[in-house]
Amino acid sequence: NAGVTQTPKFQVLKTGQSMTLQCAQDMNHNSMYWYRQDPGMGLRLIYYSASEGTTDKGEVPNGYNVSRLNKREFSLRLESAAPSQTSVYFCASQRAELADTQYFGPGTRLTVL
Amino acid sequence: GEDVEQSLFLSVREGDSSVINCTYTDSSSTYLYWYKQEPGAGLQLLTYIFSNMDMKQDQRLTVLLNKKDKHLSLRIADTQTGDSAIYFCAESIKGTYKYIFGTGTRLKVLA
Repeated sequence: NAGVTQTPKFQVLKTGQSMTLQCAQDMNHNSMYWYRQDPGMGLRLIYYSASEGTTDKGEVPNGYNVSRLNKREFSLRLESAAPSQTSVYFCASQRAELADTQYFGPGTRLTVL
Repeated sequence: GEDVEQSLFLSVREGDSSVINCTYTDSSSTYLYWYKQEPGAGLQLLTYIFSNMDMKQDQRLTVLLNKKDKHLSLRIADTQTGDSAIYFCAESIKGTYKYIFGTGTRLKVLA
């Protein structure tokens, strides 16, 4: 089992460019999450998908869109990148049960110039 | 709203015990978690405690929960240099799929 995988590992964008961060899990988990990590601010939830076919906004959704492509894959799109979106992005997954353990990917380090 | 707070830094000598503290605001939390993040990596679950427990021990790790004060602590006995990392406290919000994470405590272990 690879667990949770994310691509790319690193990315540099110019302001206004768009890109999609990919996430996949092979644990047959129902719920998937996107977080961003900024110094001194911990992890903040951007969007989550409680199950295939549903997505919901988290704490900081502005400037992002998500797609739950199938049970395995959950992508995060930046339509018009801004320097404030420079961050480390983590994808996580968990089984269906509420309050179950979340498993994290290795992260994508994004810099927007 | 929900909030989880931690101190940002802790420095200990190898072999000593480390205690990392966390306070949270949501009294309806179901589980409280401790995650470890090593440099350049994602978060790994270290341990968790159900909200109706006071203490949980797992090898070198001891978690204490004071529900009255909404205070959670993680004690690492015989701290080693490999324990140097960022430790995150997190709570699950009852009835939702959401977690709230603290800011993380960077533990530095001095040889």
